[in-house]
Amino acid sequence: KNEVEQSPQNLTAQEGEFITINCSYSVGISALHWLQQHPGGGIVSLFMLSSGKKKHGRLIATINIQEKHSSLHITASHPRDSAVYICAVRLQGAQKLVFGQGTRLTINP
Amino acid sequence: GAVVSQHPSWVICKSGTSVKIECRSLDFQATTMFWYRQFPKQSLMLMATSNEGSKATYEQGVEKDKFLINHASLTLSTLTVTSAHPEDSSFYICSATGTSGPVWTQYFGPGTRLLVL
Repeated sequence: KNEVEQSPQNLTAQEGEFITINCSYSVGISALHWLQQHPGGGIVSLFMLSSGKKKHGRLIATINIQEKHSSLHITASHPRDSAVYICAVRLQGAQKLVFGQGTRLTINP
Repeated sequence: GAVVSQHPSWVICKSGTSVKIECRSLDFQATTMFWYRQFPKQSLMLMATSNEGSKATYEQGVEKDKFLINHASLTLSTLTVTSAHPEDSSFYICSATGTSGPVWTQYFGPGTRLLVL
């Protein structure tokens, strides 16, 4: 079993829908990252969380440390949101990140 | 925001040759750089962690004599794939942490796509 599990692996939705991507982890962490990777390969860091909730534009990220779970929400989704979304955790006392397998999101017009 | 660049973005080479990939932090000092490899439809796999001025720490299963990493300055790390073979064809991504943003925020480069013929 992977230390970081994402669901769903693939998600297709219509423009305007509310999107939720989930991430569960089984290890102690100091922070959790949500990353976005576009088809060209470039990676953008969306959020870094250690507790609570963060919001940036139409994106919202939450984390529940006790339940070892995080969610990424996209409101009013748009085709340009189509990308792979990756959850990554930084283990306690470590520098490196452990990555989930990613969620491939496709938003149709 | 902090920017990390990689060069080249694309490289095609013959089997047996060596390829050098550069990773630069453009507007901050990168005390730690990470090198990842990503195969199609898979997630990133950490290859090694390098701290400026010291030897890189390689992940299990990564051959340090094949993937040479040098982090000689606070703005530049290089990955050299020596005697490349077709199975080394992959997408190589670097990231950096340092003097920009919250502690341990990683800034990712745009990646280098390597094709070995």
